[in-house]
Amino acid sequence: NAGVTQTPKFRVLKTGQSMTLLCAQDMNHEYMYWYRQDPGMGLRLIHYSVGEGTTAKGEVPDGYNVSRLKKQNFLLGLESAAPSQTSVYFCASSSPRGEGVGHNEQFFGPGTRLTVL
Amino acid sequence: KNQVEQSPQSLIILEGKNCTLQCNYTVSPFSNLRWYKQDTGRGPVSLTIMTFSENTKSNGRYTATLDADTKQSSLHITASQLSDSASYICVVSAGRGTDKLIFGTGTRLQVFP
Repeated sequence: NAGVTQTPKFRVLKTGQSMTLLCAQDMNHEYMYWYRQDPGMGLRLIHYSVGEGTTAKGEVPDGYNVSRLKKQNFLLGLESAAPSQTSVYFCASSSPRGEGVGHNEQFFGPGTRLTVL
Repeated sequence: KNQVEQSPQSLIILEGKNCTLQCNYTVSPFSNLRWYKQDTGRGPVSLTIMTFSENTKSNGRYTATLDADTKQSSLHITASQLSDSASYICVVSAGRGTDKLIFGTGTRLQVFP
C-alpha cells in the first residue's frame, strides 16, 4: 500500500495563477483532509470530506476549493493564487471505523511545497 | 479558545541521551491526545494516542504521559538516536468531530553524534 500520496511535491506559481493539488489514498478511508503548515504555526485545517461527493469548510477555507468525486481522491484548488498561500500543504485520510483510540486516526501524505510569487 | 502549547521550541541533545518534551493544552471537550513525529520534508506520523483515562503509553523508545487534571502531556525519548532528529507535534482532539484536531507548533529536536 502506498498510503497517502500527493501530487506535485513542489510548485511555484505567480500571483493570480490557478492550480490543483491532488491527494490519493489506497486505504479505503472515508474521511479526507487538507491542511496547511506555516512556520511557527500548527497545522490548520482548510477543508475536509466525510465521504464521496461531500465536502466541508475547516478553519482556513478562504481562497481554496475542494472536490471529492471519487472516494480515493481529494482535490484542492487555488483559483487565483496569492503570496499568502505560500505554504506546505498536507493531505490526510482516516476511517471512522475502529475502536477506542484508533477511531479516526489520521494518516498524512508527504506534503506539497507551494510558493506563490 | 482551544490551544496546544509545546516546549521547548527546539532542543539539541547528544546521541544516547534522554530527553522530555512538554505539551500543555486548553481544549474542551477533550477526546484524546496524540503525539506525532515529523521528519524534515515529510508528513507527520503518529507515535501515540491516549484517551482521558490513560496515564502513559509507550511506542518503543518513546513514552508519552498524560495528566488530564493539569492538562499536561510529555513525550520522553530514551537513548536517543540520530534518526530521532525531527519535529514532535502534540495534537489534541476536541471531541469526536472530524474537524476537531488542535495542533501544537511542535518541538524541533536535533540529535548530534
